[in-house]
Amino acid sequence: GAVVSQHPSRVICKSGTSVKIECRSLDFQATTMFWYRQFPKQSLMLMATSNEGSKATYEQGVEKDKFLINHASLTLSTLTVTSAHPEDSSFYICSARDHGLAGGDEQFFGPGTRLTVL
Amino acid sequence: KQEVTQIPAALSVPEGENLVLNCSFTDSAIYNLQWFRQDPGKGLTSLLLIQSSQREQTSGRLNASLDKSSGRSTLYIAASQPGDSATYLCAATNQAGTALIFGKGTTLSVSS
Repeated sequence: GAVVSQHPSRVICKSGTSVKIECRSLDFQATTMFWYRQFPKQSLMLMATSNEGSKATYEQGVEKDKFLINHASLTLSTLTVTSAHPEDSSFYICSARDHGLAGGDEQFFGPGTRLTVL
Repeated sequence: KQEVTQIPAALSVPEGENLVLNCSFTDSAIYNLQWFRQDPGKGLTSLLLIQSSQREQTSGRLNASLDKSSGRSTLYIAASQPGDSATYLCAATNQAGTALIFGKGTTLSVSS
């Protein structure tokens, strides 16, 4: 299947700093990528839909000024957590939709980024 | 709004047993349904994708079924092995190109 990478895999930062997470589709083009957040022992919750060349669509309750999403190319979307606080500590996972596949509309997930804010 | 529920939340079985994981969804107008595996602290591994026009999909010891009329999907694991221990997530999407809605998962433990 298609491969999606995320960088970094793990980051620890001080409260008040900003952290950028990259999501890349390695062998396919993705006009749409999705960002999810997963708290311990919880399921994945959709944060936003990232569309190449346009503004991201955020889910209710997700602050767009705090979680900045940029999808500047067909293979890269970035999520920046601005002025991070301990409550932002979580596992962030991106997925990309390979719309080139014949049917199915399968989504491929990155390995996730573990963010810890001290 | 689509909601996905998985039962049971946790399951422990001895090696060799066949088992069934259940997933239910509230909106039968789904576009497709995916089953994933997640190991502790890791990302997701896609196991099976069932399109709305399909009834089931098989991969090795795994078989997933989809019954839209009853709002249910099952993941059947044959001859379970300790290496199958993980959390299994069910997720559905209602339209092409939209995000997946996830259940909370079933954490499976297979003892040797």
